[in-house]
Amino acid sequence: DTAVSQTPKYLVTQMGNDKSIKCEQNLGHDTMYWYKQDSKKFLKIMFSYNNKELIINETVPNRFSPKSPDKAHLNLHINSLELGDSAVYFCASSHGTGRTNQPQHFGDGTRLSIL
Amino acid sequence: DQQVKQNSPSLSVQEGRISILNCDYTNSMFDYFLWYKKYPAEGPTFLISISSIKDKNEDGRFTVFLNKSAKHLSLHIVPSQPGDSAVYFCAVRSGNTGKLIFGQGTTLQVKP
Repeated sequence: DTAVSQTPKYLVTQMGNDKSIKCEQNLGHDTMYWYKQDSKKFLKIMFSYNNKELIINETVPNRFSPKSPDKAHLNLHINSLELGDSAVYFCASSHGTGRTNQPQHFGDGTRLSIL
Repeated sequence: DQQVKQNSPSLSVQEGRISILNCDYTNSMFDYFLWYKKYPAEGPTFLISISSIKDKNEDGRFTVFLNKSAKHLSLHIVPSQPGDSAVYFCAVRSGNTGKLIFGQGTTLQVKP
């Protein structure tokens, strides 16, 4: 199936731990994104990579570090997890950026719960 | 400071009737607008979009209207079907990086 896939779907862990979320797309897109949906249901952009180059870096704590080994993958590593990091994290991808009117395709999300 | 607002958290309509979902934005420089639909435990799915050079775009049962002077966007679904029950997010594109700014969503329930 062509899709944006994220793993794991659920992640429950203790405060202070380090964890990673993986994202892969087989749509042939060259741009990938990470969004965070908080408890108030707002979807907010965190990072974006175009052809492995960081192009969006919103005001996100340094504990969050994205890594794009190639155009089809964008992983998110989080150090020293805090209670406020509990949220659903969505990965997305698209053809191009900015002026191209191509919609973003989303994965099904990773629900992160910090105990 | 919310740049995109969906002031109705929820909407309930009868099957076969029209559903109208509304969205307001603050920045007149936004040039591309999208609607996404989201089922529980799934990611948002692209539904329909409109460029700022148009005021209407139609795709089957879905029509998006753009009123630039009022900075207002609406999605019409007609006729509404029970399978349309979902959360609907409006989004605007900001700048040249593809960044999307989302509203907080409206939960639509279509009753049989």
